[in-house]
Amino acid sequence: GENVGLHLPTLSVQEGDNSIINCAYSNSASDYFIWYKQESGKGPQFIIDIRSNMDKRQGQRVTVLLNKTVKHLSLQIAATQPGDSAVYFCAENPNNQAGTALIFGKGTTLSVSS
Amino acid sequence: DAGVTQSPTHLIKTRGQQVTLRCSPKSGHDTVSWYQQALGQGPQFIFQYYEEEERQRGNFPDRFSGHQFPNYSSELNVNALLLGDSALYLCASSWGAGTNTEAFFGQGTRLTVV
Repeated sequence: GENVGLHLPTLSVQEGDNSIINCAYSNSASDYFIWYKQESGKGPQFIIDIRSNMDKRQGQRVTVLLNKTVKHLSLQIAATQPGDSAVYFCAENPNNQAGTALIFGKGTTLSVSS
Repeated sequence: DAGVTQSPTHLIKTRGQQVTLRCSPKSGHDTVSWYQQALGQGPQFIFQYYEEEERQRGNFPDRFSGHQFPNYSSELNVNALLLGDSALYLCASSWGAGTNTEAFFGQGTRLTVV
């Protein structure tokens, strides 16, 4: 099975609402996590990352929360805009010293209606 | 500053043929990773190259091979193509194979095997 998964395959919100996308991971040794946004026909776009020694990290309109106790990751998007509509993936690095391969979940499709 | 560039953008091949995909990393990056993304799925790690050597490999058969050149660009080769190899092939670049840093993706190559 996959180490990284998302709770909901789709999420629909109204423009201006706050969005929360969740992700559960199973590898307790993972020490680095990234959220990516992927629009149709494009490659994944880096949004924000967080290391395992942190609980929270903020970017522009986005916040990532990491709960290592329950192995849960979330991405919060403030004032969601139509341009935020995309598939969102969380990815983890299982702390393999040989390299920095990322393990992705299946993604959550965010639909923003105006 | 160009980001990660991949060529070609689209490709159609026949079963049994061989294909070569190319990737130029983001300026300043020395590590290249390749991922396969089937329709509706998250990217799956194929392998990672650093210092012209394969540093890490995912669960893909030997039909998948790669190369990294002294200028850090990379190629992905797939032999004896199967219908199931049809996917979006993504290249990601980062700095330093042994450290967790931002990985940036290219737009991908859409491979169709008929």
